[in-house]
Order: sequence, then structure tokens, then C-alpha cells
Amino acid sequence: ETGVTQSPTHLIKTRGQQVTLRCSSQSGHNTVSWYQQALGQGPQFIFQYYREEENGRGNFPPRFSGLQFPNYSSELNVNALELDDSALYLCALTRRGQETQYFGPGTRLLVL
Amino acid sequence: AQSVTQPDIHITVSEGASLELRCNYSYGATPYLFWYVQSPGQGLQLLLKYFSGDTLVQGIKGFEAEFKRSQSSFNLRKPSVHWSDAAEYFCAVGLFSGGYNKLIFGAGTRLAVHP
Repeated sequence: ETGVTQSPTHLIKTRGQQVTLRCSSQSGHNTVSWYQQALGQGPQFIFQYYREEENGRGNFPPRFSGLQFPNYSSELNVNALELDDSALYLCALTRRGQETQYFGPGTRLLVL
Repeated sequence: AQSVTQPDIHITVSEGASLELRCNYSYGATPYLFWYVQSPGQGLQLLLKYFSGDTLVQGIKGFEAEFKRSQSSFNLRKPSVHWSDAAEYFCAVGLFSGGYNKLIFGAGTRLAVHP
């Protein structure tokens, strides 16, 4: 497997705050996607990064933003947190042109 | 619009019994199809995938799935369930658009296994 790691594992924030979640791997997979999984639901695609640029986005507002670094690690930033942002956030890695995505363990965010 | 439906929210089986988890998809072209498993508090682990070719695909942990184009289905099966199979199972369609790929997931089926 790819050894995808995410940090932190759990996080508690209050409404209106900002949060940064991180994802990394030593596998050399150059494309990273972020998904939001609300309780009792399947994951939903937030966006994908390749070559440090966003190249696809799901139905999420601009307050969800990301970064990809030269070593392919990635950050997900969420501004102005809302209660509905409480969820498990998953990053998934793949190589450009390949179909299979490999998921990390996720960061569980609770917004109070 | 593309979508994935998993009709069974929750399934309970006895250990050693056979299992079939249903998945139906809506997609205009030949889909890329996946099954992932999620244990409590964990991320998603890939069980198997279908891209083309043989419509019966084998995966890890003794799972298999069959692609049926006429029924728009990709059901997951296991002949004999183990207690460790208790988890949530997600079916997904892979979409490729504008140079990026994303997965569309169903809502999941939670599997409980009785001893």
C-alpha cells in the first residue's frame, strides 16, 4: 500500500474558526484528492490537486481550499467553520492517469 | 447525473453464512467501479475494482464482485463471512473529467456479523 498518513487524527474547533488538515505519503503518488464524509454518509469529493494546482472541485464553497507541496504532501484549509463541517476528512492519493485512489485514515473534525 | 445506490443500509449475517451486498450505479459510459471497506474509526481500504474485461473480479479477503451492465449493478459477494468482516462497505464509481478523476460513493452498507 501507499502508507498515507493524515494529521491530526482528531480535532475540535468552534464555529467561525479556521482549520488546517494535513496529508502525506512516501509513495510518490503525485495526485491528491480530499473527501468529506459526514456521519452515516459516503465520502464526498471536495477537490483534487496535481502539480501543486487544483484541477477539479466538487460542490464545496471557496472557504474550502487546499495546497499541494513539491513533495506531494497536501493541506486542506477550511475557513469560517460551520457546524455542518463536522465530519471525517479523508485524503486519497493516486498517480496521474491511474484510476485507483488510496485513502488515509482520516481526520475527524468536530465543530462546536 | 452520475450516482451510486446501495439499497441496504444495514445487513446482519451469521458467521460462516454467505454475503451479497448490492450496488447499482447510474453512469452513461462504461464505469470504473470500486468496493471499499471501512472499519470503525478507520479510512477506506480498497477491496476490489473493475475497469474492463472479465466481469467477475476477485479482491482481497476472499471477496468478489460481478459487473452486470444490463442491470447497472456491481454486487459484492463472499461465500463465508468471518466475524472480522464486520465493517461498513462502500461502492463507488470513478469519473474522469477535464483531466481529473473523482470517486462518487454510495451511502454505504453496514455489515454486522453474529457469532
